[in-house]
Amino acid sequence: KAGVTQTPRYLIKTRGQQVTLSCSPISGHRSVSWYQQTPGQGLQFLFEYFSETQRNKGNFPGRFSGRQFSNSRSEMNVSTLELGDSALYLCASSLGGLAGSYEQYFGPGTRLTVT
Amino acid sequence: DAKTTQPTSMDCAEGRAANLPCNHSTISGNEYVYWYRQIHSQGPQYIIHGLKNNETNEMASLIITEDRKSSTLILPHATLRDTAVYYCIVRFILTGGGNKLTFGTGTQLKVEL
Repeated sequence: KAGVTQTPRYLIKTRGQQVTLSCSPISGHRSVSWYQQTPGQGLQFLFEYFSETQRNKGNFPGRFSGRQFSNSRSEMNVSTLELGDSALYLCASSLGGLAGSYEQYFGPGTRLTVT
Repeated sequence: DAKTTQPTSMDCAEGRAANLPCNHSTISGNEYVYWYRQIHSQGPQYIIHGLKNNETNEMASLIITEDRKSSTLILPHATLRDTAVYYCIVRFILTGGGNKLTFGTGTQLKVEL
């Protein structure tokens, strides 16, 4: 079974630009979560989508947004990029059922550098 | 979610068992203990999780104390490829769903020859 894929793997943008990152979950997984990882703040939760609806949201400004499509693929968008947005952006997928415990499977991440 | 406390770093000789402790003294009855690891610059990898019983899979064993205030992840025969940051996470499962992992700083495990 193919794992979680993220594109692009590396990206360099300039301050003020916007960026869109893509995530394809494991087949059959309906939940997609996004995380930001930086050396200073570690791994931080951004948001989670399930069945095209945002189900959870972390403590990030409105410049960070996302969406999920009917095939469970998800995109994350960051507008008006700042230097501090330079990070590894990780996507994780899971079955995401309504109850019970379930593990998340992470993709390799997109390394975003803002100059 | 309950807070977890882990040692910053640990060393282990290759072939020996690596025992990684985690303290979660404020855990509540319906919170699960999850373990993930992250090898440098890769996405975190799920290892194991449990509620109150000990668990074992092909990667590791999870021992949860009877009062559930602490747990230990055991890698039975550590190899150099097990060198990674190991995260212990306590997560409350909401009825109606919800998937949010709160990562701490984790334990840097270094496996040496």
